[in-house]
Amino acid sequence: KAGVTQTPRYLIKTRGQQVTLSCSPISGHRSVSWYQQTPGQGLQFLFEYFSETQRNKGNSPGRFSGRQFSNSRSEMNVSTLELGDSALYLCASSLELAGGLGETQYFGPGTRLLVL
Amino acid sequence: SQQGEEDPQALSIQEGENATMNCSYKTSINNLQWYRQNSGRGLVHLILIRSNEREKHSGRLRVTLDTSKKSSSLLITASRAADTASYFCATDGSGDKLTFGTGTRLAVRP
Repeated sequence: KAGVTQTPRYLIKTRGQQVTLSCSPISGHRSVSWYQQTPGQGLQFLFEYFSETQRNKGNSPGRFSGRQFSNSRSEMNVSTLELGDSALYLCASSLELAGGLGETQYFGPGTRLLVL
Repeated sequence: SQQGEEDPQALSIQEGENATMNCSYKTSINNLQWYRQNSGRGLVHLILIRSNEREKHSGRLRVTLDTSKKSSSLLITASRAADTASYFCATDGSGDKLTFGTGTRLAVRP
């Protein structure tokens, strides 16, 4: 099976712009989670989608949003970009919801976003 | 806030030595997982240990779990240069999601 893919791999944006990142999960996986990773904050959970519904949300600001399509592919959108949004954005897929059942998450390579 | 906190933050050892890293967490859990991340890449799942298990092995990896102390340790035996990476623990104690720790950066010198 193909692994989790994320596009684009690298992105440069300027403050105030918006960005959309895409994640294609492993075939058959219904859950997609998004994380933001920065050197100072570590790995921060953003949200999780399961069967096209947002099931869990972290403490990210309202500028961060996402959605999941019927084929389980997910997109994450960040509006009004700030310098602090520069990070590696990772998505991970799992068969079922990530927490509680011991589900293994399979991560994509990430999208590295630089905001200037 | 992070559910898990790894210790030490960074570790440098010689190839062939053992590496031990620890994870402490705050709330009750069902499972604890360990992941590895090579520089700037995605995370790779290493091993899962359930709350009713005390020790688990996978190849050169040995994980222990002490729920009374809310802590886990990951031991990598006979380390190799290819083990150089960051290691994260992840717990499911914060609702229905995984929460990752801050990570331990391991450097294995050839």
